[in-house]
This record gives sequence, C-alpha cells and structure tokens, in this order.
Amino acid sequence: DTEVTQTPKHLVMGMTNKKSLKCEQHMGHRAMYWYKQKAKKPPELMFVYSYEKLSINESVPSRFSPECPNSSLLNLHLHALQPEDSALYLCASSQLDRGNNEKLFFGSGTQLSVL
Amino acid sequence: AQKVTQAQTEISVVEKEDVTLDCVYETRDTTYYLFWYKQPPSGELVFLIRRNSFDEQNEISGRYSWNFQKSTSSFNFTITASQVVDSAVYFCAPMIYNQGGKLIFGQGTELSVKP
Repeated sequence: DTEVTQTPKHLVMGMTNKKSLKCEQHMGHRAMYWYKQKAKKPPELMFVYSYEKLSINESVPSRFSPECPNSSLLNLHLHALQPEDSALYLCASSQLDRGNNEKLFFGSGTQLSVL
Repeated sequence: AQKVTQAQTEISVVEKEDVTLDCVYETRDTTYYLFWYKQPPSGELVFLIRRNSFDEQNEISGRYSWNFQKSTSSFNFTITASQVVDSAVYFCAPMIYNQGGKLIFGQGTELSVKP
C-alpha cells in the first residue's frame, strides 16, 4: 500500500464553522506533512510531524490546528477560517530516512472553499 | 538562503516531441536532494525522480531523463516522445534535509501536450 488517503475530497464551510481534514497512511512512515496550495501556485509547507511530534510550524495562523493521534493519522482542525484560506490542502508522508529512499508521498488533497 | 527557479511558466508541444523542463537551485548547502514532481489536473503530486547533490551522474528511466550540473546549479528534466497524458504541472523541489525533510517547491511549469 503506497497510498496517502485524504478525506473529504471537497469541503465547503462558513467562516464560523469548525471542520477537520483527515489524512491516513499505512506505509509505516514516521513523518507527515500538511501543505497548502492556492490555484496556479506551488504547494507551501504548513506543518511537519516527525515521530508524532510537531517539528515544523511555518508560522501558520492558529485557526489551523494540526493533530497527529498516531503514526498513521494526521488531522487538520479548522476554525473561524477566512475566504482567503480557500485552497487545496495536501497531506504527505515520508520515511524520514537519510538514505536514498527518502521522498514524500502525497494524497489527492482536500479542496476547501470558505464562504 | 535557498532559491529555486523554474523560468518556464508554460510549455506547449505536439505529441511525440521531446521537451526539457529547466530548474535552477541556488544554495550554499553542500548536501541536498532535488526532486521532480508531476501534478496532473486530478491534483495529486506524483513523485518522478530524485537526485543527490553529491552524484552528478545523469540517468535515463524510460521516457524520462535528467541532467544535474552542480557547477551551474541546474537540474533539468527531459521527457522523450511526449504523450498527451504527460500534460500536467511539473515542480522542481529541493529538499533541505537539516530542516526535517522539508520540500521547497519551485513555481512550476505547466506542460501541455497536444495530439
């Protein structure tokens, strides 16, 4: 199984809603990532979890709250978002291996629209 | 500081033509990894190739080949005999390994292969 599964695929929410994005991998990877991608732009890193601990937070606003309940799951909790937060949210995982096998596997993303 | 540049915003070719995508990565780091990812309209980022900074051997894998020259900071990617299914956005992405496996994406090159 070399898949990273993200749910839901599409999400529409109001600015007062609370919602969560979910990501799952069963490749035994020890690092998981959230990226945000606006239309016609490259993905931008938001968070990195290494061995279930938050290792990188790229100065992301607190209305985005990541959670890593175990090594296979990664959540992104959303609260009081703004319309400019509308984007494709991509989850990725990697082995965290300094050898030649290190690469990120990406999910298909959640297309988020904030109204 | 690191800088990754994909100067070609859009490329359009006719099927069966060869096409080369350019990437320049400027950094003072001596050890890093360079990746090419493909993003078709479905949104998922697909891993294509990975190169280590200490290995300048150029390789071919099927219709893909790449040319890495550390002296000029260039990491170019060539698709031979392009096909319509190759139409996608292609991202060059260095990995800064002392920052937890963080991928930094270039601006991307949108490739359109016409029948």
